[in-house]
Amino acid sequence: EVQLVESGGGLVQPGGSLRLSCAASGFTFSSYSMNWVRQAPGKGLEWVSYISSSSSTIYYVDSVKGRFTISRDNAKNSLYLQMNSLRDEDTAVYYCARIKWGDGYYYGMDVWGQGTTVTVSS
Amino acid sequence: DIQMTQSPSTLSASVGDRVTITCRASQSISRWLAWYQQKPGKAPKLLIYKASSLESGVPSRFSGSGSGTEFTLTISSLQPDDFATYYCQQYNSSPWTFGQGTKVEIK
Repeated sequence: EVQLVESGGGLVQPGGSLRLSCAASGFTFSSYSMNWVRQAPGKGLEWVSYISSSSSTIYYVDSVKGRFTISRDNAKNSLYLQMNSLRDEDTAVYYCARIKWGDGYYYGMDVWGQGTTVTVSS
Repeated sequence: DIQMTQSPSTLSASVGDRVTITCRASQSISRWLAWYQQKPGKAPKLLIYKASSLESGVPSRFSGSGSGTEFTLTISSLQPDDFATYYCQQYNSSPWTFGQGTKVEIK
């Protein structure tokens, strides 16, 4: 079964750090680019970060640049999001998602984890 | 950044109704658009990619159309399992952006 399982969420004070993990199984993880997407309580979806299959290309939404770092370990079938200098507005459910691709093109996100909750509060 | 605007924000409909949701991009994204369905407490589910291609396993009552800046998601005959929130998302350029969502409610 194709599956993504996130972990690492929790309650953290403003200015603190957390490292999210996403464990992939059931597919060739090293062949896929990956995204992190978040959803604040009662709000819509927000793309956070992208990493290519080889880690050669990385993108971030402006609001997390300089604070968050995406990485992956293809040998461990794992994706990570290191979150530093956390702010109240980073409170959200964080999803990892596999990017569907074919014929050299991306086609959206076809496999999602169940999400992990990050709460930033004093 | 490319802004995605969905309308309506909320839609009340009955089982069997034909439902259409519109998504507009602030600049041309060709056909690089996906539609997702999300139910409360669950992860989003990919329905449509490349504006009109149906994801495997998604019922054929879902369809997508459009190109450039105007896109639509249509549910031909609304079923009880379809009451959810729907999001469009462009992947033409970074940052990938979502619409604000359209909640389909029971009338």
